[in-house]
Amino acid sequence: AQSVSQHNHHVILSEAASLELGCNYSYGGTVNLFWYVQYPGQHLQLLLKYFSGDPLVKGIKGFEAEFIKSKFSFNLRKPSVQWSDTAEYFCAVNAQEAAGNKLTFGGGTRVLVKP
Amino acid sequence: DAMVIQNPRYQVTQFGKPVTLSCSQTLNHNVMYWYQQKSSQAPKLLFHYYDKDFNNEADTPDNFQSRRPNTSFCFLDIRSPGLGDAAMYLCATSRDYTGFYEQYFGPGTRLTVT
Repeated sequence: AQSVSQHNHHVILSEAASLELGCNYSYGGTVNLFWYVQYPGQHLQLLLKYFSGDPLVKGIKGFEAEFIKSKFSFNLRKPSVQWSDTAEYFCAVNAQEAAGNKLTFGGGTRVLVKP
Repeated sequence: DAMVIQNPRYQVTQFGKPVTLSCSQTLNHNVMYWYQQKSSQAPKLLFHYYDKDFNNEADTPDNFQSRRPNTSFCFLDIRSPGLGDAAMYLCATSRDYTGFYEQYFGPGTRLTVT
């Protein structure tokens, strides 16, 4: 079974600061990787995803993530955050060869951007 | 806009009193999922439907049941809610069964058990 860990539960930073959220997964096979975001009072939305190819993927709202296979990591980055990036961020994986498209989520990181 | 809708957004029930949560989708997706998310925890998959085929996760309590009468609707029934079942319940859909399809989430129903 796969598992996902997110290193930081809470992150507080000021506008224009750079953001990096860590995500590590454990699984012996090939995975698809996702970052979802949940803004206050809203539903989970997909930020970006990685299936194969270029390990640096770009998502919406200026976010990007880098897949490092040797480290089983998929860290999320944004060079300069805005107040509107205040949200909870979830890393998730599923197994490429398994039917069911079942996502395993990390515990989430709450990000607070101070104006 | 096509979307995943959950009703109600907030539900209060009494200990042991059956409750049903509703999810509908306008995306015409084949797969529908129910997740449970407790405070400060990751969403945890309870079960999913591929079309009418029901798939239960091994550790989902028997207290939780689901129905999918048609493509658009899916229900989560909690037969005898306990205090430990208080959580956010998330419905999600995906176009198909392989891991290459994004899941689309509804806003969730927050269940309180008194």
